[in-house]
Amino acid sequence: QKEVEQDPGPLSVPEGAIVSLNCTYSNSAFQYFMWYRQYSRKGPELLMYTYSSGNKEDGRFTAQVDKSSKYISLFIRDSQPSDSATYLCAMRSSDNNDMRFGAGTRLTVKP
Amino acid sequence: KAGVTQTPRYLIKTRGQQVTLSCSPISGHRSVSWYQQTPGQGLQFLFEYFSETQRNKGNFPGRFSGRQFSNSRSEMNVSTLELGDSALYLCASSVGPNQPQHFGDGTRLSIL
Repeated sequence: QKEVEQDPGPLSVPEGAIVSLNCTYSNSAFQYFMWYRQYSRKGPELLMYTYSSGNKEDGRFTAQVDKSSKYISLFIRDSQPSDSATYLCAMRSSDNNDMRFGAGTRLTVKP
Repeated sequence: KAGVTQTPRYLIKTRGQQVTLSCSPISGHRSVSWYQQTPGQGLQFLFEYFSETQRNKGNFPGRFSGRQFSNSRSEMNVSTLELGDSALYLCASSVGPNQPQHFGDGTRLSIL
């Protein structure tokens, strides 16, 4: 079993839809949780950075962390074609900068 | 503010050769981490440097090495290249250890 599990998709939605992306993990030491967006031929871009459990909102993006279930989510509201990319979840423990990544979910938002 | 800069963007080598990749972090960032990205294995941590010292190393053979200079710039070296080393090598910088990491666009290494 991988340390971080993420459905690779692909996921296709119409413009304006709410997108839900999820990851599960097995290491209870993980305390910091990130979501990155990666466009083709580019490096990952940090979207959300959260610590421990709870919700964080930034514009159209909401990150949720449920440490009791070892489950994290990213919601994208009013999705746009420009949101079409691969979304990677990442996490690490409090004393180690070694991030563990999910496989990435490929999202396409159709006009 | 300039982002993380990686050079070169593309590189083609043959088996047995060695290669050096370069990373210039965001100004003011003192921590640099390296990752390998492949379609099969995804993003895997190679190593992390802070203040010219390697703080952490991933599960890669000794052919993979790195260093950091006093200006926080970092280089990564791979010796005796193998076909399986073909990948996108990504550098990420942060203000310090355990801070959010920001990635460059990577160096795509192809081994023939």
